Amino acid sequence: AQTVTQSQPEMSVQEAETVTLSCTYDTSENNYYLFWYKQPPSRQMILVIRQEAYKQQNATENRFSVNFQKAAKSFSLKISDSQLGDTAMYFCAFTSPNAGGTSYGKLTFGQGTILTVHP
Amino acid sequence: EAQVTQNPRYLITVTGKKLTVTCSQNMNHEYMSWYRQDPGLGLRQIYYSMNVEVTDKGDVPEGYKVSRKEKRNFPLILESPSPNQTSLYFCASSFRTAPRNEQYFGPGTRLTVT
Repeated sequence: AQTVTQSQPEMSVQEAETVTLSCTYDTSENNYYLFWYKQPPSRQMILVIRQEAYKQQNATENRFSVNFQKAAKSFSLKISDSQLGDTAMYFCAFTSPNAGGTSYGKLTFGQGTILTVHP
Repeated sequence: EAQVTQNPRYLITVTGKKLTVTCSQNMNHEYMSWYRQDPGLGLRQIYYSMNVEVTDKGDVPEGYKVSRKEKRNFPLILESPSPNQTSLYFCASSFRTAPRNEQYFGPGTRLTVT
């Protein structure tokens, strides 16, 4: 079974600075996808960034980038030039296209990290 | 606008009173699922459906039922709610080629069972 662990329950950062959120996962699959979701106070789940395991290049989306270390099973999210609107709960999630049965299409989530951006 | 809708958004009920949370998507997605979110546990899958009339259990199915009679709708049924089902519930949908396609989440339903 796949597991996803976020070891930082809470993080804080000053506006305009950079912060990194950690995520580790465990799987025996070789082909999988990793995601970071943002959940602001509105509770809406917003996809921030996606990484495909077979791609060596780290994904980037504007101020958001990941450090994907496949051998270490690590997938951290870096937010540059933090903004007040980045304040949210962030979830790391995993899924595998090869998973069958009850794991098909399932997203396995970490526990979440609450990020607060201070002015 | 492509979206997943859930109703109600908030619900307070009493133990044992049957309730249904509706979920509807307008993107012609085959795959739909329900998750519950609890503090310190993240989101966990309750049930999923790969197409009409095809449903199966996720990680935490006890106390829940689902049905998929139409492609767009995937209601979550709590026949005898208990306080341990107090949680934030999300419906999600995607094309069947998940995970290559993004899963779209509904706005969430906050359920309190007293």
